[in-house]
Amino acid sequence: QKEVEQDPGPLSVPEGAIVSLNCTYSNSAFQYFMWYRQYSRKGPELLMYTYSSGNKEDGRFTAQVDKSSKYISLFIRDSQPSDSATYLCAMKNTGGFKTIFGAGTRLFVKA
Amino acid sequence: GAGVSQTPSNKVTEKGKYVELRCDPISGHTALYWYRQSLGQGPEFLIYFQGTGAADDSGLPNDRFFAVRPEGSVSTLKIQRTERGDSAVYLCASSPRAQETQYFGPGTRLLVL
Repeated sequence: QKEVEQDPGPLSVPEGAIVSLNCTYSNSAFQYFMWYRQYSRKGPELLMYTYSSGNKEDGRFTAQVDKSSKYISLFIRDSQPSDSATYLCAMKNTGGFKTIFGAGTRLFVKA
Repeated sequence: GAGVSQTPSNKVTEKGKYVELRCDPISGHTALYWYRQSLGQGPEFLIYFQGTGAADDSGLPNDRFFAVRPEGSVSTLKIQRTERGDSAVYLCASSPRAQETQYFGPGTRLLVL
């Protein structure tokens, strides 16, 4: 079993829709939770960063962490065609240097 | 300012050959990471440098893989006796200090024939 599980999709939605992306994990030592966006043939770009449990909002993006369920989510409101990309969840331990990534979910937002 | 750069952007080689992949981190970043990303997968950690030293090389798959960062800036990932299974995108990331946000380069696409 992988430490981090993420549905690879693809997920196709119409422009303006609310998108929900999710990951589950097995290592209870993870304390830092991140979402990256990766466009085709580019490196990942950090979108959201959360420490421990709770919610964090930044513009159209909201990240949620539920450590009791070992489940994290990213919500995108008013999705745009420019949001079409692969979204990677990632996490690491306190004091750890190794970041563990999910497989990524491919998102397509249709105009 | 300039981001993380990686060269070459693409590399095609034959099975058994030796390759070197270069990473130029953001100026002043002390932490540098190498990852490998296979098709349809997320990046997989290979090695982490703090300054000139490899602080964690637990992700290197075997002794054919080696990385250096002799002056604490540019890093080179070296792969000996390449195998077809080494084909992947090799990503480099840097951060101002350990534990801080990692900034990724565009990657080097390695194809071993």
